[in-house]
Amino acid sequence: AQKITQTQPGMFVQEKEAVTLDCTYDTSDPSYGLFWYKQPSSGEMIFLIYQGSYDQQNATEGRYSLNFQKARKSANLVISASQLGDSAMYFCAMREGTLGTSYDKVIFGPGTSLSVIP
Amino acid sequence: DGGITQSPKYLFRKEGQNVTLSCEQNLNHDAMYWYRQDPGQGLRLIYYSQIVNDFQKGDIAEGYSVSREKKESFPLTVTSAQKNPTAFYLCASGANQPQHFGDGTRLSIL
Repeated sequence: AQKITQTQPGMFVQEKEAVTLDCTYDTSDPSYGLFWYKQPSSGEMIFLIYQGSYDQQNATEGRYSLNFQKARKSANLVISASQLGDSAMYFCAMREGTLGTSYDKVIFGPGTSLSVIP
Repeated sequence: DGGITQSPKYLFRKEGQNVTLSCEQNLNHDAMYWYRQDPGQGLRLIYYSQIVNDFQKGDIAEGYSVSREKKESFPLTVTSAQKNPTAFYLCASGANQPQHFGDGTRLSIL
């Protein structure tokens, strides 16, 4: 079964507008972490933001914020004031298992392609 | 500068041949990961390691092998048993999660 779902294969946003990229996850583990990564066309993966399952507040990093709705098992990425350089693939990922043990692993969703229009 | 170095950038494999992809990090991270990415797809976990001399299979470990003899190094061997090895391979490391990635190795079959 798909553990990470990103239902938007492709998204378009006007420059300077905000955009939300959807991510839903499935886990029965009470301890988990959620991540977002950006992959430009050059191929490198760039870590953007992290949210722990016990964190009380939604994570923010500059123009990136994570809209964490635990009961709905969703962890949407919000990018404010989009820039042309934001055009890339965006991947949601989840760490399952107890932090620091040898059994926690990180799995990725299929990704969303974001195109920023001038 | 600290970071992750993957080599080679491009690799070609002949039928029946084993090939090894190198991944070295100088970030002092305990955790290291190998992912495979096929065109237009997300990343799939091959193997991961949280400490030296210990590693766990990911979702697609068949046809691959790893070792973790040193904290800095986590080489991946693509064996002849992996029938469809053509892909982009990414190595990552982190304190607890894959926070830093290498630039990747593109593997193709000759």
